[in-house]
Amino acid sequence: AQSVTQLDSHVSVSEGTPVLLRCNYSSSYSPSLFWYVQHPNKGLQLLLKYTSAATLVKGINGFEAEFKKSETSFHLTKPSAHMSDAAEYFCVMSEDYGQNFVFGPGTRLSVLP
Amino acid sequence: GAVVSQHPSRVICKSGTSVKIECRSLDFQATTMFWYRQFPKQSLMLMATSNEGSKATYEQGVEKDKFLINHASLTLSTLTVTSAHPEDSSFYICSALPLGGFRNQPQHFGDGTRLSIL
Repeated sequence: AQSVTQLDSHVSVSEGTPVLLRCNYSSSYSPSLFWYVQHPNKGLQLLLKYTSAATLVKGINGFEAEFKKSETSFHLTKPSAHMSDAAEYFCVMSEDYGQNFVFGPGTRLSVLP
Repeated sequence: GAVVSQHPSRVICKSGTSVKIECRSLDFQATTMFWYRQFPKQSLMLMATSNEGSKATYEQGVEKDKFLINHASLTLSTLTVTSAHPEDSSFYICSALPLGGFRNQPQHFGDGTRLSIL
């Protein structure tokens, strides 16, 4: 069965320190994977996507993620957190290139001054 | 980039009122639009998939007579919450899938509508 797991419901980091948001997936196929960010009372903004090309994907705002098939993971990282990064982050999987989405439960990122 | 406009952004109304939410793709055509519901501190829950010119496909447990969806054109889908009650209060988000190019362009999301039923 297809599923997406985000082990951390809440991550708190200090401004200027690295960010790691974890995502693991379960799929019978070679899925496409996405990271979206949601600020309060807003929709979802695409940060980056993996669609079977390069396994290290660079996105907007300094975020990147690495697809590791052996670990079924697609963790999101950023070298240095900014206050504006505080938001909810969703890891999303699709087995049909984005036609249908399977959402992770989300990780709330807090950035402390 | 692809922009999806959702209107209104916030609605407060009395119980029993019907509320219509619009979702428009501004600079691209979308044969498929999706409607999601999001409860506080939770992920998005797919309510229905809307295809232009045909009936929407509803997820299990979603009342199609309660949540009416119309997708009359390649750039507009509407969700009408009929006879809304306080339990319908939620954050509703639409998304649109660009025509033909979904490999490089996944769903694009609107900014959501906060619906509050008094």
